[in-house]
Amino acid sequence: RKEVEQDPGPFNVPEGATVAFNCTYSNSASQSFFWYRQDCRKEPKLLMSVYSSGNEDGRFTAQLNRASQYISLLIRDSKLSDSATYLCVATGTASKLTFGTGTRLQVTL
Amino acid sequence: DTAVSQTPKYLVTQMGNDKSIKCEQNLGHDTMYWYKQDSKKFLKIMFSYNNKELIINETVPNRFSPKSPDKAHLNLHINSLELGDSAVYFCASSPGSGQGHEQYFGPGTRLTVT
Repeated sequence: RKEVEQDPGPFNVPEGATVAFNCTYSNSASQSFFWYRQDCRKEPKLLMSVYSSGNEDGRFTAQLNRASQYISLLIRDSKLSDSATYLCVATGTASKLTFGTGTRLQVTL
Repeated sequence: DTAVSQTPKYLVTQMGNDKSIKCEQNLGHDTMYWYKQDSKKFLKIMFSYNNKELIINETVPNRFSPKSPDKAHLNLHINSLELGDSAVYFCASSPGSGQGHEQYFGPGTRLTVT
């Protein structure tokens, strides 16, 4: 079983739609979680950290469910510029980040 | 004023050669990393240094040798390059080595071994 699992997609949604991605992690000792965004042929960039109480940043909402060991990302009012691959990340020991393989989102007109 | 920079951006070389990739960060971070992203886009950590000391060394062939002359620099030397080494190599840095620190990535070095 992969340490961090994501549905690879692609998720094809029209502009303005709401889309949600889930991710599961296997290491119950993981303490910190993040969502990164990676555009084609670019480096991953931090989108947001994921806190136990859930957190929101504009159109983006992240949730953590420790009991079920999953993390979610909700994007409201999707924009064309949201098209990218979204990487779910969990930390282990010594700040090692374990990345999921990513979920590809394509927002269309 | 790039935060994490890598050189070169592209590297095309033949099997058996030795090559180096350089990374520098001007964020004042203590911890730096090397990742490999293969053709299936899977991003996997290779090494991590905290204040010039190696703290993560994943199962990587010993043809790969990282070197950190100071905490702002982490270079990667690869001996006897193989076809399977073709990938994008990302350098990253974070403020510390504990959990909870987000990482900032360089633009990547696209290595092609022919």
